[in-house]
Amino acid sequence: KQEVTQIPAALSVPEGENLVLNCSFTDSAIYNLQWFRQDPGKGLTSLLLIQSSQREQTSGRLNASLDKSSGRSTLYIAASQPGDSATYLCAVTNITQGGSEKLVFGKGTKLTVNP
Amino acid sequence: EAGVAQSPRYKIIEKRQSVAFWCNPISGHATLYWYQQILGQGPKLLIQFQNNGVVDDSQLPKDRFSAERLKGVDSTLKIQPAKLEDSAVYLCASSLLIQKRANVLTFGAGSRLTVL
Repeated sequence: KQEVTQIPAALSVPEGENLVLNCSFTDSAIYNLQWFRQDPGKGLTSLLLIQSSQREQTSGRLNASLDKSSGRSTLYIAASQPGDSATYLCAVTNITQGGSEKLVFGKGTKLTVNP
Repeated sequence: EAGVAQSPRYKIIEKRQSVAFWCNPISGHATLYWYQQILGQGPKLLIQFQNNGVVDDSQLPKDRFSAERLKGVDSTLKIQPAKLEDSAVYLCASSLLIQKRANVLTFGAGSRLTVL
């Protein structure tokens, strides 16, 4: 059974700092890995998707890396801004025996960027 | 493009009552998901549809939860009777099928259920 763990559960940083969020998963036979952002009272927004054959993806100030063999991913946020404050969720996709995709989420890291 | 629409946004009921949530996915998205997100937890998949067929409902408490996706478009999720532990946000998501695989998920804003 796939389990996804995110560390830390919460993080508070001053504006402008670079930071790293961590995600680990127990079953390395993943199809892809996604990082999502969730703002209070809202749904999830997909930030980055890394296919299992890829090592990293970049979008603006965000960079996500994937080390499938060790079951780890990191989300790097450069020059953090107060608007980055949100909960960041990691999710991995496995292909089931029936051939469908199964997405398993971590509990998230709540990020607060202080002005 | 319009996003994933969900209603109602908020619902408060007493235990043992019933409730229904509605989801309208992005046009053309073949795959539709219902997730349950309890406060402080990550979303947990309840049921996944591909067109109007169920591909995964292994974590759906079938004694009280039911879901349908008529005509492969809109979907409803029903809880009857509700329990206190059903208090959560119910998220609907949809995705395109590309080369027979679901792609990036787009989530709705969710329906927050409080069971008293």
